[in-house]
Amino acid sequence: EVQLVESGGGLVQPGGSLRLSCAASGFTFSTNWMSWVRQAPGKGLEWVANIKEDGSEKFYVDDVKGRFTISRDNAKNSLYLQMNSLRAEDTAVYYCAREAGYCSGVRCYFWFDPWGQGTLVTVSS
Amino acid sequence: DIQMTQSPSSLSASVGDRVTLTCRASQRISNYLNWYQQKPGKAPKVLIYAASSLQSGVPSRFSGSGSGTDFTLTISSLQPEDFATYYCQQSYSTPRTFGQGTKVEIK
Repeated sequence: EVQLVESGGGLVQPGGSLRLSCAASGFTFSTNWMSWVRQAPGKGLEWVANIKEDGSEKFYVDDVKGRFTISRDNAKNSLYLQMNSLRAEDTAVYYCAREAGYCSGVRCYFWFDPWGQGTLVTVSS
Repeated sequence: DIQMTQSPSSLSASVGDRVTLTCRASQRISNYLNWYQQKPGKAPKVLIYAASSLQSGVPSRFSGSGSGTDFTLTISSLQPEDFATYYCQQSYSTPRTFGQGTKVEIK
């Protein structure tokens, strides 16, 4: 069974740090881009960051650039999100997701599947 | 960044109804468009990828269409388990962006 399980969420004060982990199983982790997506309470989905199969390329939404760092350990089938300088507006459920996809000619299509169950990060004093 | 706008924000419908949800991109994205369903307290689940391809295991009452800037998700006959929030998402460029969602409620 293809599965993603996040951990590491919790309550942290503004300005603090937290490291999220995502354990993958049931697929070849090292051959997939991976992403973090978050959802603030009662709000929609927001893509946060992604990382290439070998970790050589990383991209972030503007709001977290310089504060968050995505990384992976293919030997451990694990994805991470190091979050520093946390703000109240970072409060959200954080999901890890595989970027499933395929290429047809020069076109490559990607979508998020599967998703983990999510881990809640609350930034509050 | 590409902005994704969904309409309506919410709708009420009855079991058996045909429902059409709309998603518009702020620039042309060809068919790099995905649809997700999310139920309360659960992670999203992909329904449609590449604008019109049905994800394995998803009921055939779900269909997607469109290209360029305008896309639709259609549920041909709404079932009780379809009451949820639906999101579109573009994969044409980074940052990946989602629409704000359409909540489908029971009439």
